[in-house]
Amino acid sequence: DGGITQSPKYLFRKEGQNVTLSCEQNLNHDAMYWYRQDPGQGLRLIYYSQIVNDFQKGDIAEGYSVSREKKESFPLTVTSAQKNPTAFYLCASRDITGTHEQYFGPGTRLTVT
Amino acid sequence: DAKTTQPTSMDCAEGRAANLPCNHSTISGNEYVYWYRQIHSQGPQYIIHGLKNNETNEMASLIITEDRKSSTLILPHATLRDTAVYYCIVRLPHSGGGADGLTFGKGTHLIIQP
Repeated sequence: DGGITQSPKYLFRKEGQNVTLSCEQNLNHDAMYWYRQDPGQGLRLIYYSQIVNDFQKGDIAEGYSVSREKKESFPLTVTSAQKNPTAFYLCASRDITGTHEQYFGPGTRLTVT
Repeated sequence: DAKTTQPTSMDCAEGRAANLPCNHSTISGNEYVYWYRQIHSQGPQYIIHGLKNNETNEMASLIITEDRKSSTLILPHATLRDTAVYYCIVRLPHSGGGADGLTFGKGTHLIIQP
């Protein structure tokens, strides 16, 4: 099946620990994105990448880091510098030759205590 | 990206057509209207998009007014599984050097009643 996978679905961490969220796609899409969603709110863009080995900050990049070493993979690290990391994290990808139709993964719900 | 305004919530009876409005009075000439929906605790799902002509696919129809300042998403025969938050987004079809992401507002929470 083609699509985007995120793992794990639920993740629990202690405050002060870095944690890395996985995102993999087999759609052969060049562009990939990370969004954060808080309860009752819309999505906010954290980072995006349009090509391997290149990525750009979105609206709320502070406290997060990413890498894009392979086209299929765009992992997100939530660092201890992120003041309020508990949230629902969504990864998406897009065919840059098309319009802005983005395909989303199922999301990872991160809880930091 | 142009700003959009949607009602916070709507109810619709199962089997009836659900009509979801969106106002985008500041839309520019080459911006598209996109609709996504998000079922609780899942990732958003693309539904449909359009520029100025009405569009239809297997999921929904999109009606855009002639002045393009508003649009309506129509789910022709709503089922309980259509209960979700529906997002209307307006933007250029290709990234233009700025932040290349979608701006999701709070959307409309559509509740399909049995």
